[in-house]
Amino acid sequence: EAAVTQSPRNKVAVTGGKVTLSCNQTNNHNNMYWYRQDTGHGLRLIHYSYGAGSTEKGDIPDGYKASRPSQENFSLILELATPSQTSVYFCASGEPGLGGREQYFGPGTRLTVL
Amino acid sequence: GEQVEQRPPHLSVREGDSAVITCTYTDPNSYYFFWYKQEPGASLQLLMKVFSSTEINEGQGFTVLLNKKDKRLSLNLTAAHPGDSAAYFCAVPHGSSGNKLIFGIGTLLSVKP
Repeated sequence: EAAVTQSPRNKVAVTGGKVTLSCNQTNNHNNMYWYRQDTGHGLRLIHYSYGAGSTEKGDIPDGYKASRPSQENFSLILELATPSQTSVYFCASGEPGLGGREQYFGPGTRLTVL
Repeated sequence: GEQVEQRPPHLSVREGDSAVITCTYTDPNSYYFFWYKQEPGASLQLLMKVFSSTEINEGQGFTVLLNKKDKRLSLNLTAAHPGDSAAYFCAVPHGSSGNKLIFGIGTLLSVKP
């Protein structure tokens, strides 16, 4: 019954390979987000979306693309993976609202790029 | 843009002691503030949502204080127990619509028996 799920949970990729991380939410939230978490940096926003068909650049979008084909699904795509993209990636969903609203997080994907 | 500074990055206390984590922010127009808890190897769970008009918010075993004048948000665990050992993150809305959150760097709290 988890509201935000991610797949895969763990991924090992090779440098230069393509990686797709998937996220699904059953909260029926309009907004979805992709973050990466690295020691010493906290969570940093990569891409986000306001709804199906929309994607927006976050604070660190370089090297990443995003796709929001439906209300429920939001993907993060690494076309040419590099070792610097080794990290834990979190997807989140939330409702829009002036002044800010809480976000609900998925379990995370641990990506290792060799 | 909004900046959030969270301190300390690491905090070690004994069971029963209090623990205080503080965040300072720059945007005076934030309406909501959030604290998240992340247990080892797990995801982030919303601990508390704070509305800007409320200076004191109480949860189970903790209190969140908001000082709007100083733009400071603090999480106070009143009597820490080993189950509180986790990373804690503050989050503040930013961007023109507030639809994005900016997170503090996190505080890794260790509570020793």
